[in-house]
Amino acid sequence: EDKVVQSPLSLVVHEGDTVTLNCSYEVTNFRSLLWYKQEKKAPTFLFMLTSSGIEKKSGRLSSILDKKELFSILNITATQTGDSAIYLCAVDDNQGGKLIFGQGTELSVKP
Amino acid sequence: GAVVSQHPSWVICKSGTSVKIECRSLDFQATTMFWYRQFPKQSLMLMATSNEGSKATYEQGVEKDKFLINHASLTLSTLTVTSAHPEDSSFYICSARGTSVAYEQYFGPGTRLTVT
Repeated sequence: EDKVVQSPLSLVVHEGDTVTLNCSYEVTNFRSLLWYKQEKKAPTFLFMLTSSGIEKKSGRLSSILDKKELFSILNITATQTGDSAIYLCAVDDNQGGKLIFGQGTELSVKP
Repeated sequence: GAVVSQHPSWVICKSGTSVKIECRSLDFQATTMFWYRQFPKQSLMLMATSNEGSKATYEQGVEKDKFLINHASLTLSTLTVTSAHPEDSSFYICSARGTSVAYEQYFGPGTRLTVT
């Protein structure tokens, strides 16, 4: 059975800290891995990763994929209170666009 | 970026009634739309995949007669929760996928349904 597992499930840090969120997956037919940020409403897109070893970066956020070890990490440097959210990892298993979501990591950044 | 809207954003209904939720892609044509359900403190669970002009494909355990999906045009899909019960109370989110090479999905803002 295809599955996506995120860790940790929750994390509390202070402003300025750096955090690393993990996502491992087991899918039959991998096409891409996506990271989303969810606050009060629906998820907002952060990154889509398809190739191993190529870091994607957007401001203080970056992500990388390891297709050999079947995992991805999302890094957030110099965290701010506005980074507090649930971060979701999802894998597109090449079945017409279906996404398999992990449980999410709830990040709380304290001032 | 591509925009997906949902209507209503929240709805309260009585047990036994039906509720329709609309999902629209505002600035692109969505050949495929997906409906998810999210319970508090849980992740998104895919309910069904909706392709324009054809019947929806439901995930295992999702009752197709209870959750009616119609994808009548390339910009609109609807989810109707029939004979709603309190356990149907949840956050319903749609996403739409266009025909871009990136195959990104764009999420709507979600609809919070409360059944009393």
